[in-house]
Amino acid sequence: AQTIHQWPVAEIKAVGSPLSLGCTIKGKSSPNLYWYWQATGGTLQQLFYSITVGQVESVVQLNLSASRPKDDQFILSTEKLLLSHSGFYLCAWSPGLGGTYEQYFGPGTRLTVL
Amino acid sequence: AQSVTQPDARVTVSEGASLQLRCKYSSSVTPYLFWYVQYPRQGLQLLLKYYSGDPVVQGVNGFEAEFSKSNSSFHLRKASVHWSDSAVYFCAVPSSSFSKLVFGQGTSLSVVP
Repeated sequence: AQTIHQWPVAEIKAVGSPLSLGCTIKGKSSPNLYWYWQATGGTLQQLFYSITVGQVESVVQLNLSASRPKDDQFILSTEKLLLSHSGFYLCAWSPGLGGTYEQYFGPGTRLTVL
Repeated sequence: AQSVTQPDARVTVSEGASLQLRCKYSSSVTPYLFWYVQYPRQGLQLLLKYYSGDPVVQGVNGFEAEFSKSNSSFHLRKASVHWSDSAVYFCAVPSSSFSKLVFGQGTSLSVVP
């Protein structure tokens, strides 16, 4: 069975500080990977997606960047946090080429920027 | 472009009562459709999915949804709700390029005694 893990579970960071959030998928080779942002009580906004190692497409520009250094790993980062970065960050995967289109989500990382 | 609308931001039902959460989609072709549930401070869980065939699809925990092409709808139903069903429910459809899911605004369900 596939499992998806996100780290850290929660972060409290200062405005202007750097950030790195991680996501790992086990039990599935070559998945499509996604990052979403969710404001408190809000809907989900997709940030990035990746269909292969080293390739990332940006969906929304929020002064964030993403990388996929390994097949099973997706990293979200920024060098300088803004107050507007606070929220809930969700990583998700889907089966990839020839697969179906539903996505499976990780437990999320709650980010508070002060 | 594909889109979904959930017209009810909040729904309150009594425990044991039946439930319907509404979802309307906009698509130029018959879409794939999904319902997700999000419990407080957790990620999203896939409840059920529709790809083709029988318009009534069964999901987990007694949930089902019915696809209607004529009404452009994919409403979620449950015959008898439990307090543990209190959560936010999202309807979603893949984008036309299939590179992302487009989510509705979500419906917050409260089940009261």
